[in-house]
Amino acid sequence: GNSVTQMEGPVTLSEEAFLTINCTYTATGYPSLFWYVQYPGEGLQLLLKATKADDKGSNKGFEATYRKETTSFHLEKGSVQVSDSAVYFCALSPTPGGYNKLIFGAGTRLAVHP
Amino acid sequence: ETGVTQSPTHLIKTRGQQVTLRCSSQSGHNTVSWYQQALGQGPQFIFQYYREEENGRGNFPPRFSGLQFPNYSSELNVNALELDDSALYLCASSLGGEGYGYTFGSGTRLTVV
Repeated sequence: GNSVTQMEGPVTLSEEAFLTINCTYTATGYPSLFWYVQYPGEGLQLLLKATKADDKGSNKGFEATYRKETTSFHLEKGSVQVSDSAVYFCALSPTPGGYNKLIFGAGTRLAVHP
Repeated sequence: ETGVTQSPTHLIKTRGQQVTLRCSSQSGHNTVSWYQQALGQGPQFIFQYYREEENGRGNFPPRFSGLQFPNYSSELNVNALELDDSALYLCASSLGGEGYGYTFGSGTRLTVV
C-alpha cells in the first residue's frame, strides 16, 4: 500500500543551523509528493511540492528533491530561523496530479532556538 | 479571497452522542476533503466531496458521514461518538481533486468524554 515515513522529532536546532528532515515513501505508480507545515493552532499550509522524479520543490528557502531511486523526499534548509519552528508533514498523493486524497507522515516537530 | 473556515473551533461531547462539524470552502473551490488528526499523528483522510457527491473515502466506519451543499460548503457528521474520535478535524478545499491546490482550515478540536 501507500505510506510515508518521516524521521521522528523533535528536531532542535540553533538559529542559522542547517536543517534536514528525512522522508521516505512507499507507493505504486507515480505519486506527487508534498511538504506541509503546521504552526501552533493553525491548519496545514503547503510548503512545497514535486510531481515527478527529479523535480525539486522550493519555497521560503526550503527545498526537497523527488528521488524515485531511493523513494525519498527529504526537506532541507540552509539556515533556519526561530520563525521556522513548527510541525512539518511529508505527504503523497497516490495518483498523478494529486487527485482524491493525501497520505501524510506522522510529522516532525522542529524547534529553533536563538 | 477568503480561506477555509471551520466551526466550531472547539467542541466537547459525551460518548454515544452525535456531532456535526461545518466547513466553508475557499471561494471558487468545488471540492472538499475531511481529515482526522489524532494527537501527535499525521492527518488521516476521511472522505472527499466533489459537486455534492462523495467521490473517495478512507478507512473510516459508516458512522462518519458527510454532505456538500450547492455553495460547496460541507458538513462532517459523526454518530455514536467513541473516545477514540477525539481529534482535530481538518477540512480542505480545492478546485477539482488536485492535492497541490488544497487549502486547509484551522480545524475543529473535538474532545469526547
